[in-house]
Parts: sequence; C-alpha cells; structure tokens
Amino acid sequence: TQLLEQSPQFLSIQEGENLTVYCNSSSVFSSLQWYRQEPGEGPVLLVTVVTGGEVKKLKRLTFQFGDARKDSSLHITAAQPGDTGLYLCAGAPTGGGADGLTFGKGTHLIIQP
Amino acid sequence: DAEITQSPRHKITETGRQVTLACHQTWNHNNMFWYRQDLGHGLRLIHYSYGVQDTNKGEVSDGYSVSRSNTEDLPLTLESAASSQTSVYFCASSEYRDRGGTEAFFGQGTRLTVV
Repeated sequence: TQLLEQSPQFLSIQEGENLTVYCNSSSVFSSLQWYRQEPGEGPVLLVTVVTGGEVKKLKRLTFQFGDARKDSSLHITAAQPGDTGLYLCAGAPTGGGADGLTFGKGTHLIIQP
Repeated sequence: DAEITQSPRHKITETGRQVTLACHQTWNHNNMFWYRQDLGHGLRLIHYSYGVQDTNKGEVSDGYSVSRSNTEDLPLTLESAASSQTSVYFCASSEYRDRGGTEAFFGQGTRLTVV
C-alpha cells in the first residue's frame, strides 16, 4: 500500500505570511496532484506534476515534485484569507492505469485576516 | 460544461437498511471511484471501475457494493447500513493522460448519517 504523509496537519498564520506544505512518501508515483477542498464541497484539482524536479506556478502558489518522484511541496507566498481550506496531495501509481489515487490526510490551512 | 453530480447531498438512515448513493458524470470518463472521507483518515478508496461491467474493491470495500451498467453512472450501495458507515462520500471520475498523469474530478459529496 502506497502511503502519503502530509505535514503540517494544521496551520494557522496571518495574512501576508509565506508557508510551505509537504507531502512525503517512500513510494514512487507516476504523477502527483494537489487539490483544495472547502467545507461542504468536493476536492478541486489545483495542479498535476509529472516529471521529477518539476516546478509549476499558479499565481502565488508554487508546486514542486521531488527529483525521485516520492515527495512534493506546495509553497504559498503572501497568503490571503481566500487561501483557507484543506489542501490534499494525491499520488497516482507507477505504470499508468486507472487505479485510484492515494491521498494524504490533508493540511488544514487557516489564514487569519 | 462536463460535470459529476451526486445525490442525495444529505441522507439519514437507520441501521440495517439498504442505502444507495447515486453518482452521474458527463465527462465520458472510463474510470470512476468512490471514496469516503473521515476526520483523521482522509480520503479512502471504497470501490472503483475501469469501464462498463468492471468493478474493483478498494481499501475499505467491506459492506459496500457498486455496479457499472453504463459509462455515466456508478451507484454505491450499502447492503446493511452500520453506524461505522456514517461519513461523507465522494464520487470521482478520471481519465489517464499519457505523460499528463491521472487527474480526478470530484462530485460535491453525500453526507450519510446512520442512526
């Protein structure tokens, strides 16, 4: 069973601060996704990283896939209250195919105005 | 726009009753999944399907069943509801893209309470 560990589990910071969320595993994934989930809603895809070492930017969010494709990070610059939510990383198994994604337990992020 | 919808959004049932949660997607994806989300456990895979007539067990499949008679729908049935199955259930669909990874699109969830 492939496991993904996210840290920190909870994070509460002031508006304008920077933060980094981590997603780690001992397993190799073919790709890794980051989702954001708001209360009462389903997860919404933010980004997919596929290549080891890949860096993708989405406005103030920077996503990085580890060189060995076992870990990933999400960095938010100048956090805003609208960034508040549950951030989930999910890994797809190697070999392609349709097996369900493995999800981390998530990071609950609160940005205080 | 393509979407994935779940119904009902909220359901209260009694222990021992059979319950079916509906999931309908218009993405025309072959792959569909059911997850449950619980505090402290995150999202856990219940069942998944690669296509019509195909179903597979996930990590927490005991007490659940699915059927896939067409591309659009994957209903989830709780054969005899138990209090341990009180949870929020999410349906998702995906398509594997060569060199693009697997991206899942989720429904809005069904909150099920078993009393």
